[in-house]
Amino acid sequence: QKEVEQDPGPLSVPEGAIVSLNCTYSNSAFQYFMWYRQYSRKGPELLMYTYSSGNKEDGRFTAQVDKSSKYISLFIRDSQPSDSATYLCAPSKRAAGNKLTFGGGTRVLVKP
Amino acid sequence: DADVTQTPRNRITKTGKRIMLECSQTKGHDRMYWYRQDPGLGLRLIYYSFDVKDINKGEISDGYSVSRQAQAKFSLSLESAIPNQTALYFCATATGAEPQHFGDGTRLSIL
Repeated sequence: QKEVEQDPGPLSVPEGAIVSLNCTYSNSAFQYFMWYRQYSRKGPELLMYTYSSGNKEDGRFTAQVDKSSKYISLFIRDSQPSDSATYLCAPSKRAAGNKLTFGGGTRVLVKP
Repeated sequence: DADVTQTPRNRITKTGKRIMLECSQTKGHDRMYWYRQDPGLGLRLIYYSFDVKDINKGEISDGYSVSRQAQAKFSLSLESAIPNQTALYFCATATGAEPQHFGDGTRLSIL
């Protein structure tokens, strides 16, 4: 079993819908939780990160962490075609700049 | 200009050849990482370096070696390439508690 699991998708939604992405992990030592977005033929770019449990909001993006159930979520409101990409969750045991353990990513398609 | 530059962007080579992938950064970060990405497997860590004199193996280091020539440069070598090393390779940098920043990758195909 992988340490970090994501549904590979693709997840197809109409423009303007809410995109709901999730990630599960098995290692209770993870403390920092990153979400990266990756466009085709590009490197991952950081969307947001959270420390420990709770919610964090940044514009149209909301990240939630539930450490008790080892479950991480990312919500994208008012989705746009430009949000079509692969979303990778990447928890870390120490600070966010330390070693990351990546999920396989979920591919999202937002249709106009 | 990109903060993290990887060269080459694409490379096709033959089994048994020695390959070097290069990464340079202008961010002034002390930490540098090499990952490979395969479809459905996410990114897996090959090697990482916390400074010029500190090199560490990641989860899949067999068949690879690295060199940290300077704080800004971190190279990945495949001593004798084999087809299952065909993948996307990414370099990343970080400092302190900041999250990692990635280059745009090298697409490597080994025939």
